[in-house]
Amino acid sequence: AQSVAQPEDQVNVAEGNPLTVKCTYSVSGNPYLFWYVQYPNRGLQFLLKYITGDNLVKGSYGFEAEFNKSQTSFHLKKPSALVSDSALYFCAVRDTNAGKSTFGDGTTLTVKP
Amino acid sequence: EAQVTQNPRYLITVTGKKLTVTCSQNMNHEYMSWYRQDPGLGLRQIYYSMNVEVTDKGDVPEGYKVSRKEKRNFPLILESPSPNQTSLYFCASSFDTTGPYGYTFGSGTRLTVV
Repeated sequence: AQSVAQPEDQVNVAEGNPLTVKCTYSVSGNPYLFWYVQYPNRGLQFLLKYITGDNLVKGSYGFEAEFNKSQTSFHLKKPSALVSDSALYFCAVRDTNAGKSTFGDGTTLTVKP
Repeated sequence: EAQVTQNPRYLITVTGKKLTVTCSQNMNHEYMSWYRQDPGLGLRQIYYSMNVEVTDKGDVPEGYKVSRKEKRNFPLILESPSPNQTSLYFCASSFDTTGPYGYTFGSGTRLTVV
């Protein structure tokens, strides 16, 4: 079985400060890892993914994520937050041996001016 | 434009009146899935389909039906809706489930059952 944990329901940061949204996962094999963002009244949008190779993955809107195999984590980061980054963020994992993705419960990011 | 199209965006209905939410994708994706999103409960999978004529239950299938007669369409059917099915529903698709492909989501259908 596979699972994803997003330990924080809510993350608050000030505009211009760095942000981190945490994600840890559990899979029996090797993982594919994904981050999605959901803006109000919209569907989820793909942000970035980890397949293999470089542990630092760059994605859309200046976001990046760091894969840490020993800690089974895939935290989402951005060096300088914008108010427009305020949204609901979902982490997802899938075992590379095939199967469907499992989503975390989501973390609401609020960036204050 | 590559997309997943859901209709309707908003729907208010009465208990027991059958309804269908349509989902169509134009990316020739093999995998399609339905989720419901409720406050505090995240995304819960209702049904999924690995290919045409292949469907399977997700985590919360009770009260729902699906069909996959064509590759592009994956309608969600509520034969006798109840108020506890009031929710935000999302359709999603992916190229397949063997490669490193993410999901493309529709814009959502907000259903209210009174």
